[in-house]
Amino acid sequence: QVQLVQSGAEVKKPGSSVKVSCKASGGTFSSYAISWVRQAPGQGLEWMGRIIPILGIANYAQKFQGRVTITADKSTSTAYMELSSLRSEDTAVYYCARVQLLNAFDIWGQGTMVTVSS
Amino acid sequence: DIVMTQTPLSSPVTLGQPASISCRSSQSLVHSDGNTYLSWLQQRPGQPPRLLIYKISNRFSGVPDRFSGSGAGTDFTLKISRVEAEDVGVYYCMQATQFPWTFGQGTKVEIK
Repeated sequence: QVQLVQSGAEVKKPGSSVKVSCKASGGTFSSYAISWVRQAPGQGLEWMGRIIPILGIANYAQKFQGRVTITADKSTSTAYMELSSLRSEDTAVYYCARVQLLNAFDIWGQGTMVTVSS
Repeated sequence: DIVMTQTPLSSPVTLGQPASISCRSSQSLVHSDGNTYLSWLQQRPGQPPRLLIYKISNRFSGVPDRFSGSGAGTDFTLKISRVEAEDVGVYYCMQATQFPWTFGQGTKVEIK
């Protein structure tokens, strides 16, 4: 059974970048998409974007356009989310999730805490 | 962007009693392919979200049948027929019909 395993917690300075990975363990991405969602402390869920690894096509939320890049390496079944120009408001848990064929997020990674602090 | 509005934001429930959460979208969630990509997720404290319901009313694998989803167009409902202790958490509706995909604010279900 496929699991999504994310990279570990990060502490970053304002203005820097962070790159979080999400590896499919026990399987591959196949033809599914991978989405990234973040959750600020005590807040709700916020969709950032998604990628279809087999096509290499990514879509982003306008809010993050220009600051976020989502990529995927099919050979290792690993997706990446890179967020640049970090500010304190980007402090959040970042989740990857598999998007099944009916656009529902059926498998979630464990989350990666990113803290932005000077 | 499509705005998803959930009510109530908090729902204290007695064990064994039903609970209901409403989700309203600012525009129709019917996709051009005829599907309505509305799902419900549960997030227990300290856990990642978990898929409960997809495409309005389809229970995901392993989800107890006390959870049910209904609705159409812009109005959707998640019902828990008899709340159990393990159902405590925050519930989110989510639309994946139109980019950017968006979530409701979340509804906290707690035991009275």
